[in-house]
Amino acid sequence: GAVVSQHPSRVICKSGTSVKIECRSLDFQATTMFWYRQFPKQSLMLMATSNEGSKATYEQGVEKDKFLINHASLTLSTLTVTSAHPEDSSFYICSAPALVGDEKLFFGSGTQLSVL
Amino acid sequence: KQEVTQIPAALSVPEGENLVLNCSFTDSAIYNLQWFRQDPGKGLTSLLLIQSSQREQTSGRLNASLDKSSGRSTLYIAASQPGDSATYLCAVNDYKLSFGAGTTVTVRA
Repeated sequence: GAVVSQHPSRVICKSGTSVKIECRSLDFQATTMFWYRQFPKQSLMLMATSNEGSKATYEQGVEKDKFLINHASLTLSTLTVTSAHPEDSSFYICSAPALVGDEKLFFGSGTQLSVL
Repeated sequence: KQEVTQIPAALSVPEGENLVLNCSFTDSAIYNLQWFRQDPGKGLTSLLLIQSSQREQTSGRLNASLDKSSGRSTLYIAASQPGDSATYLCAVNDYKLSFGAGTTVTVRA
């Protein structure tokens, strides 16, 4: 089946630094990539939807200047957490449909971000 | 706004027992509902996808039912095994996915 490779799997950084998370579709072209965030014991929440070659669409309450999303190619989407703070510590995960409009999503393995 | 609730939050059963996981949602105007498995430190694995027009889906020991009018779905896992230990998430799709908080299952050998 389709594979989405996400890395790093875990990152610890100091407050004020920026962290980049990458998601690559390994055997298919992902024109759309969804980015989620999950706090402990809470639901996965959609942060934004990135589309190759255009600006990402952010969910209400998500700061676009803080969470920079780039989807420059059909196989790579990145999420950069800028000027990270301890409250940004969370589990971030990406997903993509293998086919345009397909309802079945394939997920990356997630990134656990800890901001000290 | 769609709200998805999963009960119970945690479940511990002896090996061989059948598992029943519940998911409820507030807005019945959905396209489909999916059940996922989440293992610690790993990504999500899609288990079953039920279209809004379907009543149930089956895959091996897994069976998921959907009652859209009442806003409920149930995931049944027959003859549980220790390898079934994981967190199970349901997600409803009404243009975007809304996830429940999950049910953490522990199957004791």
